[in-house]
Amino acid sequence: EAGVAQSPRYKIIEKRQSVAFWCNPISGHATLYWYQQILGQGPKLLIQFQNNGVVDDSQLPKDRFSAERLKGVDSTLKIQPAKLEDSAVYLCASNWGDRTTPNTGELFFGEGSRLTVL
Amino acid sequence: LAKTTQPISMDSYEGQEVNITCSHNNIATNDYITWYQQFPSQGPRFIIQGYKTKVTNEVASLFIPADRKSSTLSLPRVSLSDTAVYYCLVGLSGGYQKVTFGIGTKLQVIP
Repeated sequence: EAGVAQSPRYKIIEKRQSVAFWCNPISGHATLYWYQQILGQGPKLLIQFQNNGVVDDSQLPKDRFSAERLKGVDSTLKIQPAKLEDSAVYLCASNWGDRTTPNTGELFFGEGSRLTVL
Repeated sequence: LAKTTQPISMDSYEGQEVNITCSHNNIATNDYITWYQQFPSQGPRFIIQGYKTKVTNEVASLFIPADRKSSTLSLPRVSLSDTAVYYCLVGLSGGYQKVTFGIGTKLQVIP
C-alpha cells in the first residue's frame, strides 16, 4: 500500500517569497491534516480536512497561509509571503476519518517537506 | 482536549526495558491513549493505542491504570534504533476529531 506522498522534500526560499507544498494521502482516506513542526518541538496542527471541507483551521496564520483540498483527495499548502519563522518541516497526515469509529484513527504521516526561509 | 505531561528526555542503555510515563489527569470518558514514535527527518509513526488495562503488540506494551489518569509506554530491550521522540496523545482521532501533539519524550539509547 502506498503511503502519504509529499513534495518537495526540501525547499529554500528568501523571506517574502512564496512556496507551495503538495500532499497525496493514502487512497480512501477521508481526513487530511497539515502540521508544522519547528525544530525541537512537536507537530502543530495547522489545518484539518474531512473530505474537501475544513474541520479546523484555528491555528493557520490565514494572512499568509492557505490550504485547499480539491475533490477531497490531494491537498496543497501555500505560504505567501514567507517569514523567517516559517522555517520548519511541514507534515501531511491522513486517516480513514470514519466518524463511527474515531478511536481507531491511526494517523499516517508523510516524510515531510523541510522549508528554510533565508 | 486533555493535556498531557511526559518527561522531556530519557537515556537508556541498550538491552534495557524503557518505561515512559504520560500524565493526563483530565482525560475524558471517550478518550483513547495513543503513542507515536518519530525518528529524525521522518513523520511520526503510530506505535500503540489503548483505552484501559494493558495492550501489547509486537513493538511495545501500554499500561493504563484503572483511573486512566496516566499511562506507561514500555519498550522491551531497546536497541540503538529505538532512539527517537515518543509522543503521548489523548483523545479521539479521525473524522472531526483534532489530533494534537505535545513536545514528546526524546529517548536516547546508549551503547
